[in-house]
Amino acid sequence: NAGVTQTPKFQVLKTGQSMTLQCAQDMNHEYMSWYRQDPGMGLRLIHYSVGAGITDQGEVPNGYNVSRSTTEDFPLRLLSAAPSQTSVYFCASSYSSGEGNEKLFFGSGTQLSVL
Amino acid sequence: GDSVTQMEGPVTLSEEAFLTINCTYTATGYPSLFWYVQYPGEGLQLLLKATKADDKGSNKGFEATYRKETTSFHLEKGSVQVSDSAVYFCALSEVPGAGSYQLTFGKGTKLSVIP
Repeated sequence: NAGVTQTPKFQVLKTGQSMTLQCAQDMNHEYMSWYRQDPGMGLRLIHYSVGAGITDQGEVPNGYNVSRSTTEDFPLRLLSAAPSQTSVYFCASSYSSGEGNEKLFFGSGTQLSVL
Repeated sequence: GDSVTQMEGPVTLSEEAFLTINCTYTATGYPSLFWYVQYPGEGLQLLLKATKADDKGSNKGFEATYRKETTSFHLEKGSVQVSDSAVYFCALSEVPGAGSYQLTFGKGTKLSVIP
């Protein structure tokens, strides 16, 4: 049972570099989302998708891009990394089963440091 | 906008002690409410939820009741175990069905249980 798989687990970047955080799920979930977790801040929503070809911004989208070409994959791109993007990033997915049945399945996270 | 306020941690308890983690929320409508738990080195997992006033969510000995009059969703457990040591997040979703992808999280409360 793979569930939600995130790669890499750890990454160190220099300011200005770009990279893509990968997220894949094998549960045929329609909904996928990216969160960042910072000390004392909880989790904040970056971007989300309600299906292939459909994405939207969350609370903190600046500096990040996403696309959803398949149901399984939802990569997060950092275009030009900044120290403020040092964080732990979580990908999550869920069924589109409507009210009363919401449950997010989380990946194990990517710890990103930008120097 | 929506917000979730949790009690500050960390919380340290002895095994078999009673646990309460306070959570209050601000929302314009009638949100769904959730508790997620994050064990060390892992992603978050849904612990319990409630979707309307006076509902009680329960799981693994944990309980929380949706109190609309006090806008609260406090987490309780009668007798904690060392294995309950984790970070606990209260969260809400205002959009029906969007608890699957559009959650507002509290900052988290770290619980440590000592033998």
